[in-house]
Amino acid sequence: NAGVTQTPKFRVLKTGQSMTLLCAQDMNHEYMYWYRQDPGMGLRLIHYSVGEGTTAKGEVPDGYNVSRLKKQNFLLGLESAAPSQTSVYFCASSYPRTGAKTEAFFGQGTRLTVV
Amino acid sequence: AQSVSQHNHHVILSEAASLELGCNYSYGGTVNLFWYVQYPGQHLQLLLKYFSGDPLVKGIKGFEAEFIKSKFSFNLRKPSVQWSDTAEYFCAVSSSGGSYIPTFGRGTSLIVHP
Repeated sequence: NAGVTQTPKFRVLKTGQSMTLLCAQDMNHEYMYWYRQDPGMGLRLIHYSVGEGTTAKGEVPDGYNVSRLKKQNFLLGLESAAPSQTSVYFCASSYPRTGAKTEAFFGQGTRLTVV
Repeated sequence: AQSVSQHNHHVILSEAASLELGCNYSYGGTVNLFWYVQYPGQHLQLLLKYFSGDPLVKGIKGFEAEFIKSKFSFNLRKPSVQWSDTAEYFCAVSSSGGSYIPTFGRGTSLIVHP
């Protein structure tokens, strides 16, 4: 059981380049999230989804877009990367279809550097 | 809206010392509470969780936490830390006020000296 899988694990971008981070979960969870982790700031929510075809903005959404075309996948896009987006990005998922309460399960993270 | 405050940003202990990390949240309704641990270079892993019932929750690796509703607190404790407990610890809350989306505190960096 893979849980939550993120790709890629590391990436270096030049300012202005674009990229997409992929998150896949195999737990049939309804909710999926993208967080960024910066030193001293904890985890801040970028965007989230409460079901296939739905997305919503979190605390720090500017400069990012997301899509959830399939229930198991949640994509995070950077259209024009900026140095301020240098961070570690974590995807997470929770809440199976049954509605039972669960904790959030996290992927391994993507370390992104924008130069 | 919900929020989480962790009061200790950096904690340094010697092995066998006792640990208590503070966590307070700001939502007045029913909450779900979590403590996660992040070892260096790794992702977040769940230490323990509280949904309802006994307010004293036991987790993995000898950790426990107590939910005190009147104080809006969910402090993490361990009676005797080990060098391998060196990590960052995050408190998180989810509630109906936040659409059940987890909100995290800023984290506490724990260093345990052998």
